[in-house]
Amino acid sequence: KAGVTQTPRYLIKTRGQQVTLSCSPISGHRSVSWYQQTPGQGLQFLFEYFSETQRNKGNFPGRFSGRQFSNSRSEMNVSTLELGDSALYLCASSLDPGTGSYEQYFGPGTRLTVT
Amino acid sequence: KQEVTQIPAALSVPEGENLVLNCSFTDSAIYNLQWFRQDPGKGLTSLLLIQSSQREQTSGRLNASLDKSSGRSTLYIAASQPGDSATYLCAVTSGDDMRFGAGTRLTVKP
Repeated sequence: KAGVTQTPRYLIKTRGQQVTLSCSPISGHRSVSWYQQTPGQGLQFLFEYFSETQRNKGNFPGRFSGRQFSNSRSEMNVSTLELGDSALYLCASSLDPGTGSYEQYFGPGTRLTVT
Repeated sequence: KQEVTQIPAALSVPEGENLVLNCSFTDSAIYNLQWFRQDPGKGLTSLLLIQSSQREQTSGRLNASLDKSSGRSTLYIAASQPGDSATYLCAVTSGDDMRFGAGTRLTVKP
């Protein structure tokens, strides 16, 4: 069974631009969560989508948004990029973490560098 | 608000040694606790998932324990190998939230 895939793997953008990252979950998984990892803040939860609906949201500004498609693939978008948005963005899929019964499986991440 | 702490932040051991990584959390009302491994610049690999009703889980040379009442989990690695060198993170799921510790960077020297 294929794992979680994320594209692109690396991205370089300049301040003020916007970016879209993509995540394809493991087949059959309906929940997709996004995380930001930086050396200073560690891993922080961005948001979670389940059945095309945002179910949970972390404490990030509105510049960070996402969506989920009917095939469970998810995208996250960051508008008006800032230098501090440089990070590893990780996507994780699960059957349904809302019940706490299922493991989260992580993708390799997208390394975003904002210059 | 759940807070997750991992001690030590870094650990260096000679090959073959048994070792214990620690994870503590402040709110015992959890669904589960998950241990991950992260290699530099890579995503997270799930190692073990312990449900709130369980006390421990084992996979190969790894054993994770959970004591909800004291807010602690340990990850025991037996007979460490250089390939075990990585950052180990614990994550606690409670409510609709998953919180991570800062990780323990493990180096196993040949």
